[in-house]
Amino acid sequence: GEDVEQSLFLSVREGDSSVINCTYTDSSSTYLYWYKQEPGAGLQLLTYIFSNMDMKQDQRLTVLLNKKDKHLSLRIADTQTGDSAIYFCAEGQNTDKLIFGTGTRLQVFP
Amino acid sequence: DSGVTQTPKHLITATGQRVTLRCSPRSGDLSVYWYQQSLDQGLQFLIQYYNGEERAKGNILERFSAQQFPDLHSELNLSSLELGDSALYFCASSEDREGEAFFGQGTRLTVV
Repeated sequence: GEDVEQSLFLSVREGDSSVINCTYTDSSSTYLYWYKQEPGAGLQLLTYIFSNMDMKQDQRLTVLLNKKDKHLSLRIADTQTGDSAIYFCAEGQNTDKLIFGTGTRLQVFP
Repeated sequence: DSGVTQTPKHLITATGQRVTLRCSPRSGDLSVYWYQQSLDQGLQFLIQYYNGEERAKGNILERFSAQQFPDLHSELNLSSLELGDSALYFCASSEDREGEAFFGQGTRLTVV
């Protein structure tokens, strides 16, 4: 079945770039998403990318997709303490049934 | 604020009881999705409704059911509750099946 994997933790210094990685197994995925979850809060959609794209940039966020290797990454430039959260990668053929990864806890230290 | 509203925010109930979680989608969104987030299972898709009709089903237990009403709000009913049902239940909505799905703040259910 479909599976989405992420590393559990990432720790970065404030001002550095963060790169959160994700691998997925479903080659028919059409959409790949990044969601952010802050403590005690819901899931915030950060960005998504179509499977026919290689890259998408939105302000401090850059998403890279390597479809051949089924690898997705989220780069956060100039990481701030407010970026500390859990980041979920998700994939789906449409929005009907998203498969989520386990989440990567990003910790930003001063 | 995603525009998706879930009530209540917190719910504490005893084993064997039944609860109803409510979701109001973003204005104009026809699709509503329910997800369960637990420590051991992560985020799991439960069920989806589109304009009142069930569209997709995931790992939803038979003790759980959902519906979407004519005004497009949705309710998730959980019955014969067990300790293991304690989790954060999210509702999400989207305009159609493509692109963005927006999540509510979740309802934290604690079964004691």
